[in-house]
Amino acid sequence: GAVVSQHPSWVICKSGTSVKIECRSLDFQATTMFWYRQFPKQSLMLMATSNEGSKATYEQGVEKDKFLINHASLTLSTLTVTSAHPEDSSFYICSARDYLGSSSGNTEAFFGQGTRLTVV
Amino acid sequence: AQSVSQHNHHVILSEAASLELGCNYSYGGTVNLFWYVQYPGQHLQLLLKYFSGDPLVKGIKGFEAEFIKSKFSFNLRKPSVQWSDTAEYFCAVNVLSNTGKLIFGQGTTLQVKP
Repeated sequence: GAVVSQHPSWVICKSGTSVKIECRSLDFQATTMFWYRQFPKQSLMLMATSNEGSKATYEQGVEKDKFLINHASLTLSTLTVTSAHPEDSSFYICSARDYLGSSSGNTEAFFGQGTRLTVV
Repeated sequence: AQSVSQHNHHVILSEAASLELGCNYSYGGTVNLFWYVQYPGQHLQLLLKYFSGDPLVKGIKGFEAEFIKSKFSFNLRKPSVQWSDTAEYFCAVNVLSNTGKLIFGQGTTLQVKP
């Protein structure tokens, strides 16, 4: 299957600083990428839909000014956690879908390996 | 609101036992359905998917799932589990009328005792 790569795999930052997480589709173009957040022992909660060349669409309750998403190219989306606080500590996962490989638009999503963010 | 519900939060089985994990969704339109697995310390991997056609779909590692439209269900099954199947299992639904985002169930932790 297609490969989605996230970087970094883990990061520790001080409270009040900003952290950028990258999500790359390595062997396909992704016009849409998704950012999820997973708390320990819980499911993935969709945070936002990242659209190449346009503004991201955020889910209800997600602060767009805190979680900045940029999708500047067909293979890269970034999530920046601004002014991070300990409650932002979590596992962040991105996914991408290869729409170009399907005439019907029905394709599976491929997931990155996730980024473990710890804010101290 | 659209939701996905997995009824079993934590399942403990012995090796060779049969497995069935329940998944129900609340949406009346056309959906794509998925089961993902997350092994300890690893990222999500696709087990199987349903888009259309035969409602009984077979995935990797001997897993299968049956889409029952009338029951809004997509239960995951395996006739005989192995210790290596110990993992977290997530059911997900893609509602085709929206952006294609996946809605995940809360997950089921499967523990297989050797």
